[in-house]
Amino acid sequence: NAGVTQTPKFQVLKTGQSMTLQCAQDMNHEYMSWYRQDPGMGLRLIHYSVGAGITDQGEVPNGYNVSRSTTEDFPLRLLSAAPSQTSVYFCASSDTGGNTGELFFGEGSRLTVL
Amino acid sequence: GQNIDQPTEMTATEGAIVQINCTYQTSGFNGLFWYQQHAGEAPTFLSYNVLDGLEEKGRFSSFLSRSKGYSYLLLKELQMKDSASYLCAACSGGYQKVTFGTGTKLQVIP
Repeated sequence: NAGVTQTPKFQVLKTGQSMTLQCAQDMNHEYMSWYRQDPGMGLRLIHYSVGAGITDQGEVPNGYNVSRSTTEDFPLRLLSAAPSQTSVYFCASSDTGGNTGELFFGEGSRLTVL
Repeated sequence: GQNIDQPTEMTATEGAIVQINCTYQTSGFNGLFWYQQHAGEAPTFLSYNVLDGLEEKGRFSSFLSRSKGYSYLLLKELQMKDSASYLCAACSGGYQKVTFGTGTKLQVIP
């Protein structure tokens, strides 16, 4: 099993550009989520999903969209990139959404917005 | 709302014991995670406490007091490879919002 796979690992964007961070898991986990990690801020929840067709907002959802058309995939879309979105993004999944199960993290996607 | 506090940095000596504290104020609290994160890497799971008390797992132990909103991670027989950030995270809500603290950067020195 590959676990949680994120692409791309590195990306540089110009302000105003749009892009999609891909996340896929092969563990048949119902729960998936996106976090961003900034120095001194810790991991902050952007969006999460408890199953295909269901998504909800986390702490910092503005400027990001998500969809969950399949159990495996949970892409994160930046609609119009801003320098404030420069960060490291982590996708995570869990088979019970963290009730008794651990979060499995992808390796991270390092995004720079110029 | 959610509020999780943990020290920013700690230093400890190889072979020693260190305790990393975490306090939380979380509505709809379900349980408390500890994760380890080495620089430039993804967090990895250490422990999850739901009930009050101490849970031991090898060199690492985690304690929870729900009434006090308090947890700690205890690392014994410290090794150089334990130098990392340790993230406290509270799980809450009907379907699991996991809120992280800012992390404690532990430096293990010879």
